[in-house]
Amino acid sequence: GAGVSQSPSNKVTEKGKDVELRCDPISGHTALYWYRQSLGQGLEFLIYFQGNSAPDKSGLPSDRFSAERTGGSVSTLTIQRTQQEDSAVYLCASSLGVLSGVSSYNEQFFGPGTRLTVL
Amino acid sequence: DAKTTQPPSMDCAEGRAANLPCNHSTISGNEYVYWYRQIHSQGPQYIIHGLKNNETNEMASLIITEDRKSSTLILPHATLRDTAVYYCIVRVEVVGTYKYIFGTGTRLKVLA
Repeated sequence: GAGVSQSPSNKVTEKGKDVELRCDPISGHTALYWYRQSLGQGLEFLIYFQGNSAPDKSGLPSDRFSAERTGGSVSTLTIQRTQQEDSAVYLCASSLGVLSGVSSYNEQFFGPGTRLTVL
Repeated sequence: DAKTTQPPSMDCAEGRAANLPCNHSTISGNEYVYWYRQIHSQGPQYIIHGLKNNETNEMASLIITEDRKSSTLILPHATLRDTAVYYCIVRVEVVGTYKYIFGTGTRLKVLA
C-alpha cells in the first residue's frame, strides 16, 4: 500500500511569509509525528498526534509553529512569519498507536520530507 | 528523556562487518532501543529494535549490554548500498503512543 506522503517536496519562501506543510499518513495509523532536520544534523522531534489530539506541544521551537490534524488522518504543520533559521527538512512519520498495554513493536514509517528554504 | 551518543562517522570495507556503537547510559527499564538508517535525501528506515536480549533479523544484529547502557548494531557483510547515516534511538512512552529520541547519528561509509 501507499506510504507516508508529504507535500510540497520543496518549498522556497521569503522571510516573513507563512508556509503550510502537509502530511498524509499511512491509512489506519492513528499516531502521527513531525520532525525537523537541519542541514547535517539529526532529527529534532517537534510534535506528535494520537488521533486528532496533540498531548505535548513542548517540542515546537516557537509560537510561530503550529500543527493540526483533522479526521484522524491528514496533518498540517504551519510556520508563521518564517525566519531563515526555519530552513530545514521537515519530516513526517506515522505509526500504529498503542491500543492497550505495552507494545514491543512500534515502527514509525517516515515520509520523504519537505525541504523548506527561507530566503 | 533518555539520550544516545554515537560516533559521528565510521568507514568499513565492503564485505566486512560494520559495528556501530551507541551509548544510552540514562535509558529507563521499559525503554526500547531502535535503530534506523537514512540514505541521502530519503526518510529514515527501520532496521531493528530490542529491549534486553540480543536481536537478529535479515538486515542486522543488535547486541545490548547486560546493564543496557550501550548497544552495538552489526551489519554482518556491509555493501556499498549500506552507506548511510545510522541513528540509535531510545523509544519513550507518551500518551497513547511512543516518542523517538534520536541521537546525532553515525555516518557510515562503505568502501569498495
